[in-house]
Amino acid sequence: GQNIDQPTEMTATEGAIVQINCTYQTSGFNGLFWYQQHAGEAPTFLSYNVLDGLEEKGRFSSFLSRSKGYSYLLLKELQMKDSASYLCAVSWNRDDKIIFGKGTRLHILP
Amino acid sequence: GVTQSPTHLIKTRGQQVTLRCSSQSGHNTVSWYQQALGQGPQFIFQYYREEENGRGNFPPRFSGLQFPNDSSELNVNALELDDSALYLCASSPYGGQNSPLHFGNGTRLTVT
Repeated sequence: GQNIDQPTEMTATEGAIVQINCTYQTSGFNGLFWYQQHAGEAPTFLSYNVLDGLEEKGRFSSFLSRSKGYSYLLLKELQMKDSASYLCAVSWNRDDKIIFGKGTRLHILP
Repeated sequence: GVTQSPTHLIKTRGQQVTLRCSSQSGHNTVSWYQQALGQGPQFIFQYYREEENGRGNFPPRFSGLQFPNDSSELNVNALELDDSALYLCASSPYGGQNSPLHFGNGTRLTVT
């Protein structure tokens, strides 16, 4: 299968740091995307990792370990507007499909 | 950007529905996803240069078309209650696994 697993919900405090993990099946893996989706809105692209390591983009960073089938999205200096669902999505070598996990709903407390 | 119509739709079980999408300028690949409440988007199918280029685990009553101007349709026949969901269209600049998807705001379909 193409199981993509991420926690269903997380809660963090404004100003803090939170790490959202994603694991996936490594066979046929090509690359991994992170998307943000606010309630009632379309997903928006955050990051793409194809090589091992950390990609930093402002307050958001994404990490990938291809051998472990593991990624995380790190959000720093949390703001109330970061309350959203965060979707991990994987592309595979054998076709052009991009498959999404179920998403992690992040709640930010003041 | 990517535009979808209509934004909301209510249909009765057994009816047929057509949802429409206009891709972002310069994008020749379009993918359709179904998103149930509280879930991640589920891949329905993808079109590249007017040909179906991949399909998820959806029955044949879900079908699609892509037109030369890169607009697209999703058709669903014999609607079931479980088809109630947000339907998202996403375009990307070229076929392939490395292009980020650009999503429209979706069509919220309710089947009663």
